[in-house]
Amino acid sequence: ETGVTQSPTHLIKTRGQQVTLRCSSQSGHNTVSWYQQALGQGPQFIFQYYREEENGRGNFPPRFSGLQFPNYSSELNVNALELDDSALYLCASSFLAAGWETQYFGPGTRLLVL
Amino acid sequence: GENVEQHPSTLSVQEGDSAVIKCTYSDSASNYFPWYKQELGKRPQLIIDIRSNVGEKKDQRIAVTLNKTAKHFSLHITETQPEDSAVYFCAASLAGNQFYFGTGTSLTVIP
Repeated sequence: ETGVTQSPTHLIKTRGQQVTLRCSSQSGHNTVSWYQQALGQGPQFIFQYYREEENGRGNFPPRFSGLQFPNYSSELNVNALELDDSALYLCASSFLAAGWETQYFGPGTRLLVL
Repeated sequence: GENVEQHPSTLSVQEGDSAVIKCTYSDSASNYFPWYKQELGKRPQLIIDIRSNVGEKKDQRIAVTLNKTAKHFSLHITETQPEDSAVYFCAASLAGNQFYFGTGTSLTVIP
């Protein structure tokens, strides 16, 4: 198992609400990436944070936002939740240096929007 | 952006047989290709990866091949065992930044 942890493990929200998901990266890693995995699909890249700055973003609307803290942990915030936001949210940590960095996934947060 | 296609979507093999999963990518600049195994309800776990300066890599029963010219890479599992049953995802990235995943292959190894 990797040292990447996520909280909470499960969450139920209603449409229009806001949610914050948390991720603690593996020791020694400085980069966190967030992915959305719908049922039966591959993970879809949301964004990546490197040294507290956004370092790339996928095709997700601005209501998906994030933060990275000095200890390299990270938050994913989703505003105005929609039913289609129901998914497994995965974070992955890595050490971004010269390139080709392997990403290690956390266990995920399963979000259900009713 | 990058587009990764993965085939087949489902694969059933007899225990002891080999399994092959194939992926193609569109962006010739992609230079890192990991494979992940995801068991039901669990996180994706890295099983093998290959970088663009290498054509083949092997780790016990698992091997990956990369053809940069054709822009495709494949996962080979030999002597399959029931515990190999899972969903396998390929991915492509440029310098470890944004990972583009395939749609997954559900592998079933029949005892």
